[in-house]
Formats: sequence, C-alpha cells, structure tokens
Amino acid sequence: AQSVTQPDARVTVSEGASLQLRCKYSYSGTPYLFWYVQYPRQGLQLLLKYYSGDPVVQGVNGFEAEFSKSNSSFHLRKASVHWSDSAVYFCVLRGGDRIFFGDGTQLVVKP
Amino acid sequence: GPKVLQIPSHQIIDMGQMVTLNCDPVSNHLYFYWYKQILGQQMEFLVNFYNGKVMEKSKLFKDQFSVERPDGSYFTLKIQPTALEDSAVYFCASSVTGGNTLYFGEGSRLIVV
Repeated sequence: AQSVTQPDARVTVSEGASLQLRCKYSYSGTPYLFWYVQYPRQGLQLLLKYYSGDPVVQGVNGFEAEFSKSNSSFHLRKASVHWSDSAVYFCVLRGGDRIFFGDGTQLVVKP
Repeated sequence: GPKVLQIPSHQIIDMGQMVTLNCDPVSNHLYFYWYKQILGQQMEFLVNFYNGKVMEKSKLFKDQFSVERPDGSYFTLKIQPTALEDSAVYFCASSVTGGNTLYFGEGSRLIVV
C-alpha cells in the first residue's frame, strides 16, 4: 500500500544547528516526492521536489533532500537552521494521480 | 511562484447553514483539489476534480459536500448543511497535470457554531 511516514511529530533544534527531518515512503512505482513547509496560518509552500536524476535535490532557503530508493526515504536537511524556519514540514508522495501526505513534522527552532 | 487564491479567508457560520468556499486556481492548471486540515497539522484529502468531474473522493467527502467549477470560474466547495465537525481549515490546490507539482492556497478557516 502506498503511504508516507514522518516518524517525528515534533523536532526541536537550536538556532545554527543542523537539521534532518525524516520521511519514509511506500510505493511500488516511481515516486514523485515533495517537501512542503507551512508557516502558521498560511498555506503550504513548495520547498523542493524530486522526480529523477541526482538523488540530492536543492530547494529554497538552503534546504536539500536526499532520495534513497534502497531505504525508501526522502529526508530533508539543512546545514544551519534559523529561527524563521520554525514551521510544519510535510513530505508528500505523488503516485500517478494519487497524492499521499505525511502527518507533518513541527520544527521548533530555539534561539 | 504560481498563486492559488481562496475566498473567504475565514468564516463563522451557524450549524445547518450552507457555506461555499471559493478557489481561484493557477490559470493554466487542470487538476483541482480540496484538503481539510485539522489540529493544525494533518492534511486530509477530500476530493480531486478534472475536466468537470470528480475523479476521486475520500470518506470525508460526505453527501453534504459538493464541488464544481462552472465555466472556468471559481472551483468551489459547498457544504450544505454544515455540521460542527466541519470546522477546519480547507485548502484548495491545483496542478497542471495529475502528476505535477501541487500549488496550495492560503486556506479558508471555517468555524461552525
């Protein structure tokens, strides 16, 4: 069955620290994978996406993600977080016309 | 980037009344979606719409829900009658094709009292 799992509901890091938000997917075909960010009381904004090619994709604001077919993962990373990165992050899988959301990870950046 | 507009941004409505949430999708997009967000986190799929028809809907898309996009105008979600459990933020999204990037609106916060 197709699904997306974000195992961490909430992650707290200090400003300037590195970050990894985990995403695991289950899909038999070729997945299209996305990371979206949602700031408080706003809609979802696209951070980055992966269709094929280089498994490390660069996104906005210094975010990157690495696709791993062997691990069925698409983890999001940032070398040095800023307090303004505090938000909810969603990993999303598109398989054909179907879309699967993870439950989201709330990132809290402490000053 | 491409913008999806949603009107209203928020609405308070008495239980049992009708509400229409409007979505102005990105101009060349063909696929349209409604999602319901609860507890500020979980995004729950309601329905997707293409070529004037509902392609897929979830169990959350109750009989009281309907969608349409008459003559290329707003893509609307209508709830009639509303129930207390319909209180949530509803997000519209659109994409060029069924496999492409989704673009989301800012959401319509519905409070049913």
